[in-house]
Amino acid sequence: DGGITQSPKYLFRKEGQNVTLSCEQNLNHDAMYWYRQDPGQGLRLIYYSQIVNDFQKGDIAEGYSVSREKKESFPLTVTSAQKNPTAFYLCASSMSGAGNQPQHFGDGTRLSIL
Amino acid sequence: AQSVTQPDIHITVSEGASLELRCNYSYGATPYLFWYVQSPGQGLQLLLKYFSGDTLVQGIKGFEAEFKRSQSSFNLRKPSVHWSDAAEYFCAVGAWYSGGGADGLTFGKGTHLIIQP
Repeated sequence: DGGITQSPKYLFRKEGQNVTLSCEQNLNHDAMYWYRQDPGQGLRLIYYSQIVNDFQKGDIAEGYSVSREKKESFPLTVTSAQKNPTAFYLCASSMSGAGNQPQHFGDGTRLSIL
Repeated sequence: AQSVTQPDIHITVSEGASLELRCNYSYGATPYLFWYVQSPGQGLQLLLKYFSGDTLVQGIKGFEAEFKRSQSSFNLRKPSVHWSDAAEYFCAVGAWYSGGGADGLTFGKGTHLIIQP
């Protein structure tokens, strides 16, 4: 079955450490997204990519970085510059970046500070 | 830019009772509208979507939503809720900008649905 796979499901970060969250899709979608979810805040867009080798900052990109070297993969790195990284991270994809395209979501990665 | 407001942070409904979750959007043209559901610790699942045409949209799990342009609303309804409907519900709006770019979806902050036995 086609879908989006996020790994790991749980991740722990030490102070000053960079960590990378994996997101892979086999839906042949062009657009991919990363969201951060905090209680009561809804989904906030970190980065998005509409095509391979191109990506744009979302509303809260500071302290995060991404790459899009392959169509099916969009990893997110939480850098040490992100001072409050504890959150639930969701990856999504859509056929294109157009607003009429529903997004398909992975099951998320929960990141915590050690 | 578009925006979405879900006025109710929490809603409590008795099992078997009807449900209506409110969603108001702001967008200059005809919007694309979506409802998603999220179970604890899971990703979001698409319930239904509205693009154009019939303003009453049917979705999965017995949900429906009605688009009302005059009220800028897209409320989600279900005639009889089940305990398994307890979850977080998100409304989202999509737009295609005239400049040729696109910016995906804008999500509301969600409504937490609690089902009483």
